[in-house]
Amino acid sequence: QSVLTQPPSASGTPGQRVTISCSGSSSNIGSNTVNWYQQFPGTAPKLLIYSNNQRASGVPERFSGSKSGTSASLTISGLQSEDEADYHCATWDDSLSTYVVFGGGTKLTVL
Amino acid sequence: QLQLQESGPGLVKPSETLSLTCSLSGGSISTTRHSWGWIRQPPGKGLEWIGTSDYTGTISYTPSLKSRVTISVDTSKNQFSLRLSSVTAADTAVYYCATMVGSEAWSWGQGTLVTVSS
Repeated sequence: QSVLTQPPSASGTPGQRVTISCSGSSSNIGSNTVNWYQQFPGTAPKLLIYSNNQRASGVPERFSGSKSGTSASLTISGLQSEDEADYHCATWDDSLSTYVVFGGGTKLTVL
Repeated sequence: QLQLQESGPGLVKPSETLSLTCSLSGGSISTTRHSWGWIRQPPGKGLEWIGTSDYTGTISYTPSLKSRVTISVDTSKNQFSLRLSSVTAADTAVYYCATMVGSEAWSWGQGTLVTVSS
């Protein structure tokens, strides 16, 4: 059971806009910045978005992140076939001590 | 650019201690202001942060594993290590080492699968 809640799957057709949500609480998303990772099968995750909405170096502009209250979102505008991957959100949690928590991951399928 | 490589046994018996090492290249572990972290991913599941050691020597662990985990840094070998004691099948996972800045994991090793089985 992950501390952050993500839908297990999402899908879209090429060119569509897709949004993946990440829901938390006041002790994590509500008081800390959110990061997003992209992971292809059999490979290590790669940092995609940091500090809620900053794209990591080399990340296409079609990827964007946002945060409001205790939820965050990753949006892909103009979906491409190569975007088919797993996406994970993460942030600090301050409830018990200060530690990093992840969402369960969302598998994005490009139809 | 920093590169990381995990190494260690791929099979550990239940109740024993899992030990992994992460070797750093492309930079010195003692001069960069990163934190050095471990993250794992059970087969078919999401990511779980295990803990980090930062450049000041401050170590943080995830509460659920805190009683069993030790992360240490060896500056002479440019490595950092993970030890997880009293392992069970639930500890079977791909283990990644990573460089971190705050909660952001910027560089990752390729990962190593550790299976807990007798």
